[in-house]
Amino acid sequence: EAGVVQSPRYKIIEKKQPVAFWCNPISGHNTLYWYRQNLGQGPELLIRYENEEAVDDSQLPKDRFSAERLKGVDSTLKIQPAELGDSAVYLCASSRGAPGGYTFGSGTRLTVV
Amino acid sequence: GQSLEQPSEVTAVEGAIVQINCTYQTSGFYGLSWYQQHDGGAPTFLSYNALDGLEETGRFSSFLSRSDSYGYLLLQELQMKDSASYFCDLRDDKIIFGKGTRLHILP
Repeated sequence: EAGVVQSPRYKIIEKKQPVAFWCNPISGHNTLYWYRQNLGQGPELLIRYENEEAVDDSQLPKDRFSAERLKGVDSTLKIQPAELGDSAVYLCASSRGAPGGYTFGSGTRLTVV
Repeated sequence: GQSLEQPSEVTAVEGAIVQINCTYQTSGFYGLSWYQQHDGGAPTFLSYNALDGLEETGRFSSFLSRSDSYGYLLLQELQMKDSASYFCDLRDDKIIFGKGTRLHILP
């Protein structure tokens, strides 16, 4: 099966500019996660979807971050406006929702200058 | 609240066995997962424990003791390609990852 697909792979933007990341999960995986990972740290959950419903967005900085998952498949994470501290790798993951692990995409490395 | 603790670094010799520990605090508990991440790569799922005991998958095993709020990942017959960061991931009503353990393997 195809893995979790993310794009772009890399993105460099100036602070205060908007940026968007896209994720296509594994077919049949109803649970989708967005994580942010800073260098030398573990992934930090930003938002978790069950189908099209955001069931945990408690760690999402809602003043500048937004996410959507239309039709319960693809998802987009947006930052507007970006700040220097947003530089990180943004990882998308998906699972069938049953207990166990999930599959990560290759991530988008964001650099804000 | 929730917390996860794992050592920041562990060093072992090629061919040996190494154990990476993870202790946690949580008000509820669903399971503990382990992931491997090579530099520049994405985390890769290794194993999941919801019940006490040992889960074995090839050279990797994971153990859980819910009464001790403790788990570990055991890597046997270490190979140079096992040099990576290893994360434990706690599942209760929330999901949190540990900060990761960097495994260094000496030839």
